[in-house]
Amino acid sequence: GQQLNQSPQSMFIQEGEDVSMNCTSSSIFNTWLWYKQEPGEGPVLLIALYKAGELTSNGRLTAQFGITRKDSFLNISASIPSDVGIYFCAGRSSGTYKYIFGTGTRLKVLA
Amino acid sequence: KAGVTQTPRYLIKTRGQQVTLSCSPISGHRSVSWYQQTPGQGLQFLFEYFSETQRNKGNFPGRFSGRQFSNSRSEMNVSTLELGDSALYLCASSLSPGGTDTQYFGPGTRLTVL
Repeated sequence: GQQLNQSPQSMFIQEGEDVSMNCTSSSIFNTWLWYKQEPGEGPVLLIALYKAGELTSNGRLTAQFGITRKDSFLNISASIPSDVGIYFCAGRSSGTYKYIFGTGTRLKVLA
Repeated sequence: KAGVTQTPRYLIKTRGQQVTLSCSPISGHRSVSWYQQTPGQGLQFLFEYFSETQRNKGNFPGRFSGRQFSNSRSEMNVSTLELGDSALYLCASSLSPGGTDTQYFGPGTRLTVL
């Protein structure tokens, strides 16, 4: 099935460090969503982006809708142990009627 | 407001059996989408229902089917189960159909086929 390219695949970081991850598409998107999934649970929506160039924050999380409309970025500042999980991006392009999901970034935070 | 609920949370079946999973969307949401999540393939779209009608369908065999009731609750059925159907099945609800709106996921049903 179709998936978005998401990088990095996994990250091991020290508590307090900042984290950056991104998602790229070969198509132009008009919506980007970022989710976090913990083991045994469904993805939880973190941030939704609807306009190119849009920068939106949710606490220590900041996401941006790339100006080319083919990418999106998620930053986590001052990571803490509870940030552990898998982060997914999801995008939708104009003219399609479903979301495509990224391959996920597995984040581990070392205390 | 209660979130998306899915039942059961865990299921164990054997090959050849069939299974029905249930999803109740967030109150007021009329669109329900179903996804299959596996380690190898990630999140794959199965189908979407809105106002009791299937609006969109992914690339899954006909053994996978669904329906939606007038109260927006949705069920997904998988017949003649295969080992490869073992996965986490997630449903997501939204106000509007067709991915035009933000989707909120339920906790999922973990299906194991032996």
